[in-house]
Amino acid sequence: EDQVTQSPEALRLQEGESSSLNCSYTVSGLRGLFWYRQDPGKGPEFLFTLYSAGEEKEKERLKATLTKKESFLHITAPKPEDSATYLCAVHLGSGYALNFGKGTSLLVTP
Amino acid sequence: NAGVTQTPKFQVLKTGQSMTLQCAQDMNHEYMSWYRQDPGMGLRLIHYSVGAGITDQGEVPNGYNVSRSTTEDFPLRLLSAAPSQTSVYFCASSPRGGSQPQHFGDGTRLSIL
Repeated sequence: EDQVTQSPEALRLQEGESSSLNCSYTVSGLRGLFWYRQDPGKGPEFLFTLYSAGEEKEKERLKATLTKKESFLHITAPKPEDSATYLCAVHLGSGYALNFGKGTSLLVTP
Repeated sequence: NAGVTQTPKFQVLKTGQSMTLQCAQDMNHEYMSWYRQDPGMGLRLIHYSVGAGITDQGEVPNGYNVSRSTTEDFPLRLLSAAPSQTSVYFCASSPRGGSQPQHFGDGTRLSIL
């Protein structure tokens, strides 16, 4: 069973059409939740870290929120340049490693 | 500021060959790690290091070797390449592991024939 699940797998939006991506995790002991953006042929680029339920972070058209078992990445009035794969990762327990979800592929059309 | 640099960007190998993927960071980060990314799967941790001389296994370590002789470099060795190791490999670093953001390189795309 996957520890980190992202939905939807793929999302197509019109420019300006706001939406949300979801990241849910099944285990307890969250130490931190990370959002990354990945463009084709590139490595993941760090966006946000969230540490506790109720926390929110914003950057331009993106806003990340965290509850006890899931996080949302809200995209407000997206532009074509927001097209990318968005990855969620969680740090659990006392180890060093991150557990990544499979990502949401976002396409924003003009 | 170069960040995390991976070489080569592309490589084709024959089954049974060995090779080393290079990773270097110039941010004086203690923590470095190697992931592989396959279609339909999330990034999976192969090996990681919490400092020079200290390495440990991740989720999918079989067939790979690492060492960390300096803070800057963390090479990944494929001992005897197999088609199942065809993947995109990413190296990452952070000041410390765990709850600090990791900085990724742009990957090495490896094909094993």
